[in-house]
Amino acid sequence: DTAVSQTPKYLVTQMGNDKSIKCEQNLGHDTMYWYKQDSKKFLKIMFSYNNKELIINETVPNRFSPKSPDKAHLNLHINSLELGDSAVYFCASSLRDKEEAFFGQGTRLTVV
Amino acid sequence: AQKVTQAQTEISVVEKEDVTLDCVYETRDTTYYLFWYKQPPSGELVFLIRRNSFDEQNEISGRYSWNFQKSTSSFNFTITASQVVDSAVYFCALSFPWGDKLIFGTGTRLQVFP
Repeated sequence: DTAVSQTPKYLVTQMGNDKSIKCEQNLGHDTMYWYKQDSKKFLKIMFSYNNKELIINETVPNRFSPKSPDKAHLNLHINSLELGDSAVYFCASSLRDKEEAFFGQGTRLTVV
Repeated sequence: AQKVTQAQTEISVVEKEDVTLDCVYETRDTTYYLFWYKQPPSGELVFLIRRNSFDEQNEISGRYSWNFQKSTSSFNFTITASQVVDSAVYFCALSFPWGDKLIFGTGTRLQVFP
């Protein structure tokens, strides 16, 4: 039973394309996140949602649009992909007052 | 400022050696949480431990132990008798009640050689 699952695991695409990454959690958590890990392994929050409502948008370009259809899903859509978007994107979830987050396996996005 | 510093970029040890990974955090808040995560070569992020600021008791879990010292703002992680399977990048992180995000350090890459 996968707790936090994201698809696809790998994504290779050309500059200018639009792509989506899907995330689902079956832990009953009320808060979901997207983190970006760059080539130097630095991990940074992008978005967090609590009960489908956006809580944090950490100065992410508006080409990135998260969507949370329900508490168990948080998808990430990226428009007009750029070379600098190449990174590993991690979805995570937690119970808001518990704070410990469980992460998906990551999606390695390569923009060529 | 809220910040996590992991000054050790990379550590190499030989199997069975003990190794300590350092983590220093900065915050003016009195209530906060500290975490360690492991990222093995396969890439996933694995939760290891969570500590809240009111609990300075050290913790031991098998070969892993954590030393939390508020006086020095440190939350260090020791692996005893390291094994090759411990090879990974280890991240220390900080968060706050209702803070809605983890603030990560830059990670320490641990390589354990046979």
